[in-house]
Amino acid sequence: GAVVSQHPSRVICKSGTSVKIECRSLDFQATTMFWYRQFPKQSLMLMATSNEGSKATYEQGVEKDKFLINHASLTLSTLTVTSAHPEDSSFYICSARERQGGGEKLFFGSGTQLSVL
Amino acid sequence: GNSVTQMEGPVTLSEEAFLTINCTYTATGYPSLFWYVQYPGEGLQLLLKATKADDKGSNKGFEATYRKETTSFHLEKGSVQVSDSAVYFCALRRSGNTPLVFGKGTRLSVIA
Repeated sequence: GAVVSQHPSRVICKSGTSVKIECRSLDFQATTMFWYRQFPKQSLMLMATSNEGSKATYEQGVEKDKFLINHASLTLSTLTVTSAHPEDSSFYICSARERQGGGEKLFFGSGTQLSVL
Repeated sequence: GNSVTQMEGPVTLSEEAFLTINCTYTATGYPSLFWYVQYPGEGLQLLLKATKADDKGSNKGFEATYRKETTSFHLEKGSVQVSDSAVYFCALRRSGNTPLVFGKGTRLSVIA
């Protein structure tokens, strides 16, 4: 079946550094990708929606200059957390949408646990 | 706004025990309802879904019934196995192009 590969699975970084998370659709073309984050004991919250070749749409309260999303191809989207701080420590998950005929399916990456020291 | 509330975990059960994970929702209109499962080290996978009131979604022995009168979509399984150990997420979608709204997830551990 369709697979979404997300890397890295875990990253620890110093405050002030930038971290890039990659999300690849391995055997299908993802016209739309979604980025979620989950703080401890909280729900998975949508951060942004990106369509291939266009700017991402960010949810209210998500800083677009801090969370840079690039969706330059139909199989790759990246999320860069710029100048990360401890409050950005969270679990980040990507999701890719594959359109099939009149319907669609969503496939999720395995997530990235970011810890900022 | 739209939201999903599911029972706090972790839930620990012995093999062959009965499982219920409660999920209630708040939404305008008639959302579609989903249960996703995340096994260790893997991405979320769709477990089952229901798109209208009184529909029952089922898969791998799991069931959930869309109850509009109680705005609920509780997940049940009659006899859990160790391999069911995972995190389970309840979610809703208001319409075809809107994003999924998730609950907090419930971690289930099944011990032999």
